[in-house]
Amino acid sequence: EIVLTQSPATLSLSPGERATLSCRASQSVNSYLAWYQQKPGQAPRLLIYDASNRATGIPARFSGSGSGTDFTLTISSLEPEDFAVYYCQQRSNWPSLTFGGGTKVEIK
Amino acid sequence: QVQLVQSGAEVKKPGASVKVSCKASGYTFTGYYMHWVRQAPGQGLEWMGWINPDSGGTNFAQKFQGRVTMTRDTSISTAYMELSSLRSDDTAVYYCARSPTPPKWGQLDFWGQGTLVTVSS
Repeated sequence: EIVLTQSPATLSLSPGERATLSCRASQSVNSYLAWYQQKPGQAPRLLIYDASNRATGIPARFSGSGSGTDFTLTISSLEPEDFAVYYCQQRSNWPSLTFGGGTKVEIK
Repeated sequence: QVQLVQSGAEVKKPGASVKVSCKASGYTFTGYYMHWVRQAPGQGLEWMGWINPDSGGTNFAQKFQGRVTMTRDTSISTAYMELSSLRSDDTAVYYCARSPTPPKWGQLDFWGQGTLVTVSS
């Protein structure tokens, strides 16, 4: 099973600051990595798929990069609505999926 | 617009089974896989498995093999997830989520609202 490790567990930042979230895979997942945002009491929402492609309707301040085992989600300038938990997920080892443990972005 | 609407909250006793439904609308039900993901209170996301609504084929995470069943009724565009031999640590919110078919398989682009299943004696 491919294990995804996200860091840091919690990121404390102020609105307007840049957020950089990391996801590391235990073996190569090529570019088959997605990022999701989850707010309290809500279902997750797809932000980025295949490492760097924004899903429909996702603002340009969200960007993804990386390939192989190391991936980054960047939020260029945090808006108040961006404070949430973010998960990475791989789809490389058909037919199974796995999620990372999540990074909480909180208001400093 | 795409919608996945799940059944309501359930309270079950240990050892019982629960069946959660997920009604799809706004797209061709048989054209996308349906996945089930759960989230225990205060915890992260855990993938359980998927069903191909077109063929009925399924695949489950090893952890749930033998305890989970996924079915569908194409006449009413609804997917079902049944979990048996419930334990207290099965208490969680259960989500359905769709993904495209291969090769874009695995991108969970629309999610249901979640169904809270509480297992308590």
